Amino acid sequence: EAGVTQFPSHSVIEKGQTVTLRCDPISGHDNLYWYRRVMGKEIKFLLHFVKESKQDESGMPNNRFLAERTGGTYSTLKVQPAELEDSGVYFCASSQALTRLAGAFNEQFFGPGTRLTVL
Amino acid sequence: GQNIDQPTEMTATEGAIVQINCTYQTSGFNGLFWYQQHAGEAPTFLSYNVLDGLEEKGRFSSFLSRSKGYSYLLLKELQMKDSASYLCAVRRRGSARQLTFGSGTQLTVLP
Repeated sequence: EAGVTQFPSHSVIEKGQTVTLRCDPISGHDNLYWYRRVMGKEIKFLLHFVKESKQDESGMPNNRFLAERTGGTYSTLKVQPAELEDSGVYFCASSQALTRLAGAFNEQFFGPGTRLTVL
Repeated sequence: GQNIDQPTEMTATEGAIVQINCTYQTSGFNGLFWYQQHAGEAPTFLSYNVLDGLEEKGRFSSFLSRSKGYSYLLLKELQMKDSASYLCAVRRRGSARQLTFGSGTQLTVLP
């Protein structure tokens, strides 16, 4: 079974430019999460999709960030315009739908992340 | 809010046992996770505790005390490949089920 994949693995852009990150969750996983780790800090939650719907976007830092999950499969996270403080590693994770079969702990599977550097 | 604390770095010797502690403060606790992350790779799930007590899985064990807001990850028979960052994460009740992470403990296993 393929894991969570993210593209690109690295991105270097200049301040003011736009970048779009992509996440492909594990097939069949309804839940998709975006997290971010900036230098020296902990991994922080950005937002959560259930299928194509945004369940919680309380972690999104500001309106320069836009996440979509059209069709409930892959997701994109666009940063426009990028600022220096947006540099970090952006992780995507997915998990099964919340059913009894999914189990109580409903493990989140993480992708390898996209390392974004804004110059 | 939530506060999760774990040591920044630890060093241990191959073959030894190491315990990585994690303390947390949260309302609506709904489980504590441990993840392992090698540099440049995805965090991978190690263990989950939601009830008090010890969960054992091979060389790794995790303990939880909800009343104390405390967990530890125990790694036995350390191997060089265990050198990695170990992340403690707490989940709260609610529909979002997102994880709140500690800063991670960088474990270095020496020969």
